[in-house]
Amino acid sequence: DQQVKQNSPSLSVQEGRISILNCDYTNSMFDYFLWYKKYPAEGPTFLISISSIKDKNEDGRFTVFLNKSAKHLSLHIVPSQPGDSAVYFCAASATWGGADGLTFGKGTHLIIQP
Amino acid sequence: ETGVTQSPTHLIKTRGQQVTLRCSSQSGHNTVSWYQQALGQGPQFIFQYYREEENGRGNFPPRFSGLQFPNYSSELNVNALELDDSALYLCASSRSGPREKSGYTFGSGTRLTVV
Repeated sequence: DQQVKQNSPSLSVQEGRISILNCDYTNSMFDYFLWYKKYPAEGPTFLISISSIKDKNEDGRFTVFLNKSAKHLSLHIVPSQPGDSAVYFCAASATWGGADGLTFGKGTHLIIQP
Repeated sequence: ETGVTQSPTHLIKTRGQQVTLRCSSQSGHNTVSWYQQALGQGPQFIFQYYREEENGRGNFPPRFSGLQFPNYSSELNVNALELDDSALYLCASSRSGPREKSGYTFGSGTRLTVV
């Protein structure tokens, strides 16, 4: 039973346009959400996070939106750049400050086309 | 900062054998977590160590065990290897303690193949 779902295995976007990556979750206990980026042969790198008390968090070109009622979050990248081509993982945690690990989705492979 | 180093990068073992994977964290990183990433899947939480004690565990059997040492290194041990244990094993460490989920630095992983 997958608690964090990324339903698009891949996404192709033109350079300069907006990339929107989506993530759905089923566990209503999740209260902290993160996005990670992963290049081949490297470990995941933290990108941006959001807690359940917010509905939006911005960091430069990256914005994460959280819709708690729909149990849905999205990552917006504007403008998309060639270096953004990577696999993006959505992850969630059930207890802020607890010792539980992160629950990851399967990832979305973002391809930025020139 | 030197980052998180994992060794070996690749490993082939036979079903039934035991394996030890190693992770070297940065100085001051008091929390380390291990994840298993099967092909085409996201990383799955195995367990977490904080100040040398296990303080969180995912849905993995007891044959998955670990250690964290005072010098900020850690080990993942897997006994009685099964074919399904073939995966990329990721180590993640943090200086912020188990509370700060965004503070984790991941290593590049060890690719384990069980034949």
